[in-house]
Parts: sequence; C-alpha cells; structure tokens
Amino acid sequence: DAGITQSPRYKITETGRQVTLMCHQTWSHSYMFWYRQDLGHGLRLIYYSAAADITDKGEVPDGYVVSRSKTENFPLTLESATRSQTSVYFCATRTSGGGTGELFFGEGSRLTVL
Amino acid sequence: RKEVEQDPGPFNVPEGATVAFNCTYSNSASQSFFWYRQDCRKEPKLLMSVYSSGNEDGRFTAQLNRASQYISLLIRDSKLSDSATYLCVVNRYSSASKIIFGSGTRLSIRP
Repeated sequence: DAGITQSPRYKITETGRQVTLMCHQTWSHSYMFWYRQDLGHGLRLIYYSAAADITDKGEVPDGYVVSRSKTENFPLTLESATRSQTSVYFCATRTSGGGTGELFFGEGSRLTVL
Repeated sequence: RKEVEQDPGPFNVPEGATVAFNCTYSNSASQSFFWYRQDCRKEPKLLMSVYSSGNEDGRFTAQLNRASQYISLLIRDSKLSDSATYLCVVNRYSSASKIIFGSGTRLSIRP
C-alpha cells in the first residue's frame, strides 16, 4: 500500500515550460495539499483541496494551477516555469481540515528550473 | 518576523545526551501544535502532537506554554538515529489552510 505517490520524483526543465507534478493517494483522505520547501522558508502551502472539485489558495499560489476531478488525484501545474520555482514539492493528505489531524506526505518531487 | 520561529541549529550532541528545542509562535489564535521529523532529503513525518498538559512518548517530551507562546521538545538519552531536522508546526483557527511550519532545527548526534 503506497499511500501517497508523487511523480516525477526528479524533474529538470527550462524557464517558460509547463510542468505538471502528479500526486495520487490510495486512502481516500478528504484533504490534499501541495507544499514547497526551500532553505530558510520551511514548508509553504501552495494550494489545498477539501474534496473533489473544491480547491483553494494557500500562502504562495502565484504561478501554479491545481485541479481535483477525482478524490485520489491532485496534480499541480506550473504554467510557465520560472527559476524561482526551483524547489522541492511535497504533496500531503489529511483526513479532515480540522486542527488535530496528522499530515501524511509523499516522498517529494525535486524540480529544477534552468 | 516569521509566524513560527525555530533555532535552525545545528545542535551537535553526543549519544546519550539530553537535548531540548524551543519553538515560538506569534499568533495567539493558534490552536493545535505538532512536532514533525524530517530526515535528510525525505518527507516530514509526524513525531508527536503537543497537548496543553504536556505529553510524553518514550524518550520524547513535548510541552506547550500558551502564555509565552512557545512549544518545546525534549529528547532524552539521544540515539544516533535521532539525527534529523525537527519541524515545529502550528495550526491556526482549526483551518486546513492555516497550518504553519517552522523552518526546522537540525540535530546531529555524534557517537
């Protein structure tokens, strides 16, 4: 049981290209999240989703697009990649949006934008 | 000023030592508190939740001080396997979007 899988795990792309990072969960958790992790900033929320077809912005949404047509998938698209989007991206799930639930993370997608 | 602040370390301590980290948060509306552990180039994983009365899990003890707005993590009898980065996490307003991560404290245990 893989839980959360992210793909690709590593990606190198060029400025201006479109990139999609995939996130798939097998648990049917309601909430899904995309974070980016950069040195000195900790994890910052990009977008999150409370259920299929419900998404909302986080702290740093600019330059990113998400969708959630199925409960188990939550892809993140960089419409026109920039060097500042070089980062490690983590997808996470949570059973509820309340304050007490554990976040479960995927293994991360390491993106380099040249 | 960051909403959740941690000493980045690194803390370099000998095996068997006791080590403690603090984490301060600025928003008094914060409701839930956690410590996550992140190994090098891996995903974060929940270490423990932090309850108002304090809680213990084996060698790990977490404390919350709402008046001074900080949480702490104490590790006793440290092991080599405790080497990792420890992330302080604060949840505001019981809202999914208000989960704030600290930048983490690096801990290195030496033999």
